[in-house]
Formats: sequence, structure tokens, C-alpha cells
Amino acid sequence: DTGVSQNPRHKITKRGQNVTFRCDPISEHNRLYWYRQTLGQGPEFLTYFQNEAQLEKSRLLSDRFSAERPKGSFSTLEIQRTEQGDSAMYLCASSYPRAPYEQYFGPGTRLTVT
Amino acid sequence: QKEVEQNSGPLSVPEGAIASLNCTYSDRGSQSFFWYRQYSGKSPELIMSIYSNGDKEDGRFTAQLNKASQYVSLLIRDSQPSDSATYLCAVRGNQGAQKLVFGQGTRLTINP
Repeated sequence: DTGVSQNPRHKITKRGQNVTFRCDPISEHNRLYWYRQTLGQGPEFLTYFQNEAQLEKSRLLSDRFSAERPKGSFSTLEIQRTEQGDSAMYLCASSYPRAPYEQYFGPGTRLTVT
Repeated sequence: QKEVEQNSGPLSVPEGAIASLNCTYSDRGSQSFFWYRQYSGKSPELIMSIYSNGDKEDGRFTAQLNKASQYVSLLIRDSQPSDSATYLCAVRGNQGAQKLVFGQGTRLTINP
């Protein structure tokens, strides 16, 4: 399977705990994006990497959120001190250099904060 | 005003008919436009991209773009029950923008 993969697929955590999600993009896709989607809404942009550089970050992303993409391969998204409002589907997408704006999504990680 | 607006539906269409989905956007400098299909509980799947005014056809799908009216649409011909899903319109803004801005999606139901 050469699609975008995300782990874990589901995460239940208690308020105040830290969580980390991983995204493995499609091979040779140099651009990687994180979005968040809540029920009944379209995905909302969180952050964007080109290779290992984080080039854009949404104002939605509070200081509790951090993302990395070491060596320009997989990426991690960490949420510190989770809040109930963080409950959402966290989606990762990647795009190919020759079609940089066509973003392909992974299956997502569903986060539930209790 | 939302950046990308779609009628949330639900839109109900009989099997075999043409389904028409619409989207308007507020940023006149927007460059690229996409349609994603999202089945319940799944992630969005890219089905069409369009970059210039006019129509673009791919199988049963036709995307239409009118930049002057800031309007993009998706037509699905010969609708099948398997087309029942939420369709998301996504727009990339001015040159240099990388993120996609999504509408809230239109829920489409194809009735056998």
C-alpha cells in the first residue's frame, strides 16, 4: 500500500495528558500537511512542511500544538495538556512535487479527550 | 462571510440522474480548486482538480469553474448509490499559499 498512513487510528486520552500522532506520507511526496476536522465541518489547516522545513502554521495552532518532520520523511503532531475541545479527527495529507497542490489524505487519527 | 461556502444539504438525487454540487469562494485571487469525496467515517478522497475557467471532465465527473463569479461546481452524471457521500469543495488562495480552505461539505444521497 503506497498511500498516506497515520498512527494510531484512534486515541482516547484524559484531559491534561499529552498525545503524539504520526504520519507517513506517500513515498517521494515532499510536501506534508496537517488538518483537523470536527463533525459536520470541512478540514481546517493546521500546518505545512516542505521537506523538513515547517513553512506555515495556522493561527488556530496554539502553543500546545507542535509538529515536526525530521529528515523530511514522516511527521509527528504533538498536543500537550489536551483539552476536550481538541477532540477531532486529525488528518495528514501529502503532495507530489509535480502536482504540489493536489493533496492526498491519510485515514486520520480520531482523538477523543475525556 | 465564510471563505468557501457550500450548501450543506442533504441533496437527494434519484439513481441515474445528474447530481449538481455548488461552491462559492470569497478570495478573488484563488488559484486552484478541488473536489473531495468523503464517505462517512473515512478521510477525504481527491476526485477532481481544476485550475482554469471552463469545464474539466473525468469519467462521470465534470468540474466547472467561473472565476469571475467566484463559483465552482461538480456534476456527477449517471449517479449511482455508491456516489452517496459528503462532497467537499477546497480552494487554494493566492500564489504562494499552500493550504487548502474547505467548505463544510454537501451531503449527497442517491436514491435507488
